[in-house]
Amino acid sequence: EIVLWQSPGTLSLSPGERATLSCRASQSISSKYLAWHQQKPGQAPRLLIYGASTRATGIPDRFSGSGSGTDFTLTISRLEPEDFAVYYCQQYVTSPPTWTFGQGTKVEIK
Amino acid sequence: QVQLQESGPVLVRPSETLPLTCTVSGYSISSGYFWGWIRQPPGKGLEWIGSISERGSTSYNSSLKSRVAISRDTSRNQFSLKLNSVTATDTAFYYCARGGAAFDFWGHGTMVTVSS
Repeated sequence: EIVLWQSPGTLSLSPGERATLSCRASQSISSKYLAWHQQKPGQAPRLLIYGASTRATGIPDRFSGSGSGTDFTLTISRLEPEDFAVYYCQQYVTSPPTWTFGQGTKVEIK
Repeated sequence: QVQLQESGPVLVRPSETLPLTCTVSGYSISSGYFWGWIRQPPGKGLEWIGSISERGSTSYNSSLKSRVAISRDTSRNQFSLKLNSVTATDTAFYYCARGGAAFDFWGHGTMVTVSS
């Protein structure tokens, strides 16, 4: 079973700053099957990035994803007030079909 | 636009079965994708519970497999979760979602409390 570790647990930044979030897998995974979700308080998660680097529909270009193998990164180039939230990485294994989430990184206002 | 909506009881007694249904609109659950259940205890992270494919095959989180059953009703475009022998640790927000490599559409979620 693949485990995802996210770091840091909490990131304290100011609006306009750059945020770099890490997701590390316990074994190599296909980039096709790595996604990032954003969750704001009281809301359901929202898909941001799939295939490690493709933005989902309607996601601003300040969000970007990168990485391969066991190390993946979500970058928010300039934080907007609405970006302060919790971010989860998620991976998918095809056989048998299973999904796993990281424990989350909270991006909070400094 | 694909929309998902969870429904079910807000309170379940310990040792009983937690039943939830997800009603899908805007896409037929038998046309493609997986249809999954994910939960989130208050203040904690996301946990995948299980999924059902467009052909009706199921897969479950190994940590919950002995207590979980997911089924579907294609005539109503719904899929359902049953979680048996619940305890207080099953108290959580429960979400249904459409999944492929990523969960791309989510329901709003429903809070279920396990308590006597």
